[in-house]
Amino acid sequence: SAVISQKPSRDICQRGTSLTIQCQVDSQVTMMFWYRQQPGQSLTLIATANQGSEATYESGFVIDKFPISRPNLTFSTLTVSNMSPEDSSIYLCSVVTGEKLFFGSGTQLSVL
Amino acid sequence: QKEVEQDPGPLSVPEGAIVSLNCTYSNSAFQYFMWYRQYSRKGPELLMYTYSSGNKEDGRFTAQVDKSSKYISLFIRDSQPSDSATYLCAMSLYNFNKFYFGSGTKLNVKP
Repeated sequence: SAVISQKPSRDICQRGTSLTIQCQVDSQVTMMFWYRQQPGQSLTLIATANQGSEATYESGFVIDKFPISRPNLTFSTLTVSNMSPEDSSIYLCSVVTGEKLFFGSGTQLSVL
Repeated sequence: QKEVEQDPGPLSVPEGAIVSLNCTYSNSAFQYFMWYRQYSRKGPELLMYTYSSGNKEDGRFTAQVDKSSKYISLFIRDSQPSDSATYLCAMSLYNFNKFYFGSGTKLNVKP
């Protein structure tokens, strides 16, 4: 399994500001994913972040809004830029290891 | 048509009941099947994982996969109030480069 530490666990932000979410894994992993989960909804993939390459974004998500860094095999960040109330969600990082997908504890973001 | 369909519930059962949660899927290329439990405001926790048709048991939980019918189930025996959560099914292709999730079923186990 993998232990994934995600920070912050929650935050309340003002419209127009940015928030950077950190994800630290206790082992080296190649594939890391960032998901968004809006209230009462299932998971929506934002992007796939593989070390050594640019993140691959899903339809509806762009790098200017959700820049991602992946400096090494154990760490990644997701920034939510120029936030609006529609960005209020839980943001989750996840990794594949041993043919299984594991999630961090999530970042609950509220934008006022 | 969504690739993975899951009844959102909510499902309310008395303590001790057997719970059956189900998902159907449309892509016959899915190879790996997972069930996650998610408590409110927390990340999903992997409960069960399987890659073949048939049953897999772990304590009070049994995962069942029927690839011919494109149907998976999670059974919870002797359900407890602590099982109250949202249960998500998930599937992937052989290369794990993308995962497909159901919408989640909210379960409430009443004491």
